[in-house]
Amino acid sequence: DAGVIQSPRHEVTEMGQEVTLRCKPISGHDYLFWYRQTMMRGLELLIYFNNNVPIDDSGMPEDRFSAKMPNASFSTLKIQPSEPRDSAVYFCASSLSDQRTPDTQYFGPGTRLTVL
Amino acid sequence: GDSVTQMEGPVTLSEEAFLTINCTYTATGYPSLFWYVQYPGEGLQLLLKATKADDKGSNKGFEATYRKETTSFHLEKGSVQVSDSAVYFCALTPYSGAGSYQLTFGKGTKLSVIP
Repeated sequence: DAGVIQSPRHEVTEMGQEVTLRCKPISGHDYLFWYRQTMMRGLELLIYFNNNVPIDDSGMPEDRFSAKMPNASFSTLKIQPSEPRDSAVYFCASSLSDQRTPDTQYFGPGTRLTVL
Repeated sequence: GDSVTQMEGPVTLSEEAFLTINCTYTATGYPSLFWYVQYPGEGLQLLLKATKADDKGSNKGFEATYRKETTSFHLEKGSVQVSDSAVYFCALTPYSGAGSYQLTFGKGTKLSVIP
């Protein structure tokens, strides 16, 4: 079974450009999470979805960031315009609701974004 | 808000040495606790978890016990291998019941095991 797929794996862009990160969750999973990892702030939750509906976007840093989940098998995280301080590794994770215990999140390999 | 504090690395050990990585947390209510591991170039993987006080999570020789009285969830392994070299993250979710919730992570501890 394929895991969480993210693309691109690496992205280098110039300040002011639009950046789109993509994620395909594990088939059948009903939760999707976007995290950002930096040396200074560690791993931070940006936004998460349940059944394609955004549940909590309080971690989205500012209006330049937006995320969508048009269907159960695809999500995007867009930054427009990008700034050097957005440079980070962005992870997507998915999980399947379990009736017994808090669910395991399965992470993709991440997208390393560099904004020059 | 909720937070997780783990020992800063990097930690360098010889093969077969004993490992402890300390983790303490601050949370209201009854959180669930996790250890995730990140191997070079990969995403995070769940290593083990515990959902209530005194529970012990274990996997691949690693163990951690949920200590509510000391708000701790220290990771231990009796004999590390070179293949255990990775970054280890302690994390929590705010609830212990069924469902999917956001994870709050510690900063991570990089472990290097030398032959």
